[in-house]
Amino acid sequence: EPEVTQTPSHQVTQMGQEVILRCVPISNHLYFYWYRQILGQKVEFLVSFYNNEISEKSEIFDDQFSVERPDGSNFTLKIRSTKLEDSAMYFCASSGGTSGRRSDTQYFGPGTRLTVL
Amino acid sequence: AQSVTQLGSHVSVSEGALVLLRCNYSSSVPPYLFWYVQYPNQGLQLLLKYTSAATLVKGINGFEAEFKKSETSFHLTKPSAHMSDAAEYFCAVSSNTGNQFYFGTGTSLTVIP
Repeated sequence: EPEVTQTPSHQVTQMGQEVILRCVPISNHLYFYWYRQILGQKVEFLVSFYNNEISEKSEIFDDQFSVERPDGSNFTLKIRSTKLEDSAMYFCASSGGTSGRRSDTQYFGPGTRLTVL
Repeated sequence: AQSVTQLGSHVSVSEGALVLLRCNYSSSVPPYLFWYVQYPNQGLQLLLKYTSAATLVKGINGFEAEFKKSETSFHLTKPSAHMSDAAEYFCAVSSNTGNQFYFGTGTSLTVIP
């Protein structure tokens, strides 16, 4: 069964450093998302992406964050200058866009645990 | 705006007992609702979803949920808990645009042998 994959599974970085989290969505999906989950808290939406542009973003997704689909398979989240509070599990998700936007299932990857020291 | 509330951050049941995990929603439009399960150190896996086709929705692993508009609820149930059901369960509702999901705070299910 097709699945969303994410690399690395765990990233440790120093505060102020740039990190790039990588995702390979399900191959025929059209919509891509990033969420994060701070330890012990709810899963929070960061950004959605369609047709090579951001379709919606949350207040969390400030100028320090960016997303890119550099080729036909990868979808990346970049944090330019990491802060301690960026430590979280980051989930990538994708959806096919074939069953109506609101009823579309989002398929989640296993996550990347980012630790900022 | 949409939101979901999950009552009970921790639920413990005995093996073989009924599982009931609660989710109430708030939505300004007809809601589309989802239940996901997260096993330790894994991602979110879809259990089931409500998309207005039927109010009783059956999912994987013997779980089901019933949409009750009058109670604005979408509680998750399973008649008989297995040890393997121990996990974190999240209820979610789709936004107006469908561009994001709003998740509840999650319920951690413990199954006691």
